[in-house]
Amino acid sequence: GQNIDQPTEMTATEGAIVQINCTYQTSGFNGLFWYQQHAGEAPTFLSYNVLDGLEEKGRFSSFLSRSKGYSYLLLKELQMKDSASYLCAVSSNDYKLSFGAGTTVTVRA
Amino acid sequence: IAGITQAPTSQILAAGRRMTLRCTQDMRHNAMYWYRQDLGLGLRLIHYSNTAGTTGKGEVPDGYSVSRANTDDFPLTLASAVPSQTSVYFCASSVGGEADTQYFGPGTRLTVL
Repeated sequence: GQNIDQPTEMTATEGAIVQINCTYQTSGFNGLFWYQQHAGEAPTFLSYNVLDGLEEKGRFSSFLSRSKGYSYLLLKELQMKDSASYLCAVSSNDYKLSFGAGTTVTVRA
Repeated sequence: IAGITQAPTSQILAAGRRMTLRCTQDMRHNAMYWYRQDLGLGLRLIHYSNTAGTTGKGEVPDGYSVSRANTDDFPLTLASAVPSQTSVYFCASSVGGEADTQYFGPGTRLTVL
């Protein structure tokens, strides 16, 4: 089976930085995705990592270490609109996505 | 339309009734998926289709069936709804093949009483 762990909740102040960790144990690995989901809305794609290292995309960055089964999503210069759930998902041997339970980030003024 | 649409937006259903959730995409994606999302459990795959005419079972397929008669449509049917099927249901699609990005519809909130 697939096992994907991420913290349930995180709180940070507007303008700060937050790092959301994700650890995984899956049957094979074909890449790791991060999605953002605002309350009551659909998940939307943020990033994809398949090789080790850091991928930067504006205020958001995602890191992957395949040997450690570990990824993180880094949110910089937090804004109120960043309050949402962040979902870690791993594509395994059959290319299907297995999702973590999600991390709810609350940004305070 | 552009992207993925789902219908209905929400539904309250009596236990034992039959219900079909509709999903349509206009991106000509080969692969489509149905997930349910429950608090604390994240998104779980119910059924998927890699291409029109084929379907497969996901992690939690019991009590659900799907069909894929064409590229655009991927309906999910609950033959006899039970309260444990109360959830938010998301349809998604992707180009297909290797690990490609999935795009999600707006979801259907289903309550079974």
